[in-house]
Amino acid sequence: AQSVTQLDSQVPVFEEAPVELRCNYSSSVSVYLFWYVQYPNQGLQLLLKYLSGSTLVESINGFEAEFNKSQTSFHLRKPSVHISDTAEYFCAVSPYGGATNKLIFGTGTLLAVQP
Amino acid sequence: DAGITQSPRYKITETGRQVTLMCHQTWSHSYMFWYRQDLGHGLRLIYYSAAADITDKGEVPDGYVVSRSKTENFPLTLESATRSQTSVYFCASSPTSGGSGTGELFFGEGSRLTVL
Repeated sequence: AQSVTQLDSQVPVFEEAPVELRCNYSSSVSVYLFWYVQYPNQGLQLLLKYLSGSTLVESINGFEAEFNKSQTSFHLRKPSVHISDTAEYFCAVSPYGGATNKLIFGTGTLLAVQP
Repeated sequence: DAGITQSPRYKITETGRQVTLMCHQTWSHSYMFWYRQDLGHGLRLIYYSAAADITDKGEVPDGYVVSRSKTENFPLTLESATRSQTSVYFCASSPTSGGSGTGELFFGEGSRLTVL
């Protein structure tokens, strides 16, 4: 079985400051890793994902995440945040080779960007 | 417009009543999912479906029933609602389970259910 831990339930940060949202996972098998974002009163949207290859993956809006197998982590970073980045961010995993796209989600981290 | 829609968006009901949450997608995606979102728990999978007439339990299926007679619809029924089922329910769909589409779920906007 897999599990995901997001230790920070809320991360307040000032606009234009850097941010890191932490994600650790536990699994007895290899996994795929994902970050989803949920803006207020909306459903979740895929932000970025790691399937294989380069351990550093990027999104179109400046976020990046690095897969660290030895530390079982997939932290999300952005060098300079905007007010519009205020949202809840969910880390998720699914087992490698899984046939159903079932994702196991973490509890979420609310990124609150202040002016 | 193409997409995934949920109805109703908001629902208040009483303990013991039957409630059905509807989910409709226009992409002809094979996979569909129902998650519930609760503070401190994130999203938990209730049921999923790999195709029409194929459904399976997720992490928290007790008290819920699903059906999928058509590819585009995946209703979730609470046969006898309880207060613990007060939650925000999200339906999602996915075109495939492998390749470049791995892990890419498309979510509806959610249905907020309150059970009094």
